[in-house]
Amino acid sequence: SQQGEEDPQALSIQEGENATMNCSYKTSINNLQWYRQNSGRGLVHLILIRSNEREKHSGRLRVTLDTSKKSSSLLITASRAADTASYFCRAYSGGGADGLTFGKGTHLIIQP
Amino acid sequence: EPEVTQTPSHQVTQMGQEVILRCVPISNHLYFYWYRQILGQKVEFLVSFYNNEISEKSEIFDDQFSVERPDGSNFTLKIRSTKLEDSAMYFCASSGYRQGAGELFFGEGSRLTVL
Repeated sequence: SQQGEEDPQALSIQEGENATMNCSYKTSINNLQWYRQNSGRGLVHLILIRSNEREKHSGRLRVTLDTSKKSSSLLITASRAADTASYFCRAYSGGGADGLTFGKGTHLIIQP
Repeated sequence: EPEVTQTPSHQVTQMGQEVILRCVPISNHLYFYWYRQILGQKVEFLVSFYNNEISEKSEIFDDQFSVERPDGSNFTLKIRSTKLEDSAMYFCASSGYRQGAGELFFGEGSRLTVL
């Protein structure tokens, strides 16, 4: 069984708008990581948030973590065409194969 | 910037043949992984490897698959007797932290086509 599951499965917005995607997980975690995958390419790590953190920023990315709801959100502000990609979360809970799995991802399309 | 490199980028093989996919992880990393992504589907965990041993494996990683670190730099995935359904992108990843605790660095993948 997997730890992280992304929502929505697909999201299409206009360039310049903000994009928000969510990740839910099942058990207590040590940290949660977000990755991006451009079509046909390898995954690229974006940001890691620890269980004792509530919010983290990196450039136009903002990640929040709500451990009471077992969920995280990734916000991309002022979206650009280059942000078109699939976004995945990985919830790490200290070991086991579950913490190495990814969900189906959110496929984000930025319309010019 | 250090990166994970994978070869070949694309391999076409006949059903029943053996395939070896190669990966050079980031040099000071100790934990290595293989993932698979069938076209249009999710990235699936296959196996993790540390200290010359398999640490974790998924139910996908059956006797058809094996991994090896034959020398100090390469990390290989062998698929014996390939099947049509093995056609996929195979991604290698490495990390420097205790297994899975930190970020995973992925290669660009090897596309395997089984005819």
